[in-house]
Amino acid sequence: QVQLVQSGAEVKKPGSSVKVSCKASGYSFRSYTISWVRQAPGQGLEWMGGIVPILGTAKYSQIFQGRITITAEKSTSTAYMEVSSLTSEDTAVYYCAKLSGSGDWGQGTLVTVSS
Amino acid sequence: QSALTQPASVSESPGQSITISCTGTSSDVGSYNLVSWYQQHPGKAPKLIIYDVNRRPSGIADRFSGSKSGNTASLTISGLQAEDEADYYCCSYAGPTTYIFGGGTKLTVL
Repeated sequence: QVQLVQSGAEVKKPGSSVKVSCKASGYSFRSYTISWVRQAPGQGLEWMGGIVPILGTAKYSQIFQGRITITAEKSTSTAYMEVSSLTSEDTAVYYCAKLSGSGDWGQGTLVTVSS
Repeated sequence: QSALTQPASVSESPGQSITISCTGTSSDVGSYNLVSWYQQHPGKAPKLIIYDVNRRPSGIADRFSGSKSGNTASLTISGLQAEDEADYYCCSYAGPTTYIFGGGTKLTVL
């Protein structure tokens, strides 16, 4: 079955960057879009961006354009999402998800931005 | 690109039915039969309950159904149960490698 396993929780200082990983298994990783979704405390789901690993080019939501970088490593079936210039408003749970078909999600990674 | 529009909250009694709407544009909901619905309980990851407008994943009760007309998709839950109390999100494909979510609807089962 499809599994998406994310890296662990992070605590970061304002102005720094964070990189979250998402290791996929159980399907053809390179062929399907992996998306990243943010959920701030008490808020809804926001699509941040996605990548089709075999193509290698990411698409980003205009809200996050210029501040996030999504990459994929086909050899290890792992996707990455890096957010730069962190502020307290970036404190959230970040999910990776395969939104097509079976709609599988990672377990979420809590990123806390605090001085 | 603004979020798809959902009502912020709905409430109904056990055993009744509710419908949650999800309004987008001709660039997303209206262009593709690729609308999905997710149920999210507090502290949990979202769970897929409807995909491709009206298809249910294995294990999802047939009390959950989906439909679409023009730029608006809908989720109907019949025979409401206490365990259905959760947040519900619609999600639409919006072009190559692009998706968009609704703002979410909090369902209260009275």
